[in-house]
Amino acid sequence: GAVVSQHPSRVICKSGTSVKIECRSLDFQATTMFWYRQFPKQSLMLMATSNEGSKATYEQGVEKDKFLINHASLTLSTLTVTSAHPEDSSFYICSARDPRVGGETQYFGPGTRLLVL
Amino acid sequence: QQQVKQSPQSLIVQKGGIPIINCAYENTAFDYFPWYQQFPGKGPALLIAIRPDVSEKKEGRFTISFNKSAKQFSLHIMDSQPGDSATYFCAAMYTGNQFYFGTGTSLTVIP
Repeated sequence: GAVVSQHPSRVICKSGTSVKIECRSLDFQATTMFWYRQFPKQSLMLMATSNEGSKATYEQGVEKDKFLINHASLTLSTLTVTSAHPEDSSFYICSARDPRVGGETQYFGPGTRLLVL
Repeated sequence: QQQVKQSPQSLIVQKGGIPIINCAYENTAFDYFPWYQQFPGKGPALLIAIRPDVSEKKEGRFTISFNKSAKQFSLHIMDSQPGDSATYFCAAMYTGNQFYFGTGTSLTVIP
């Protein structure tokens, strides 16, 4: 299957700082990428849909000014958690839709563990 | 509102057993139903997926059974192994839209 990478795999930061997480599709061009948040032993919660060259679409309850998403190219989307607080600590996972297989299939990155102290 | 309901929440089977995980949905517009496997600290990996025009799909030891009239689908793992111990998520979507995930099932296969 297609490969999606995320960087960093884990990050620890101080409260009030901003953290950027990168999501890359390595062997295909993804016009659409998704950002999820996952709490321990829970399901994936969709935060936003990222479309290349346009503004991201945020799910209800997700603060767009706090979670900045940029999809600058067909292989890269970034999520920036601005002014992070301890409650933002979570597992963040991106996925990318592979248009070569009909567009339904989403391939997930390995996730980024964020810990805000 | 949970678009996709998944059960059980956790499951323990002996090696060689056949765990079955069930999912149910309401939205008849859904036309794609994947299953994902997730190990701790990793992202979900696509296992197998089915469309509603097929009642069963098999890939290796993994089988999806789909009941369109009941709006239910299930994952069967044949000859389960300890390495299958993971969390399994079902999902549903309609073309061009987002995925709606189930709540997950934690599977433990005892040697």
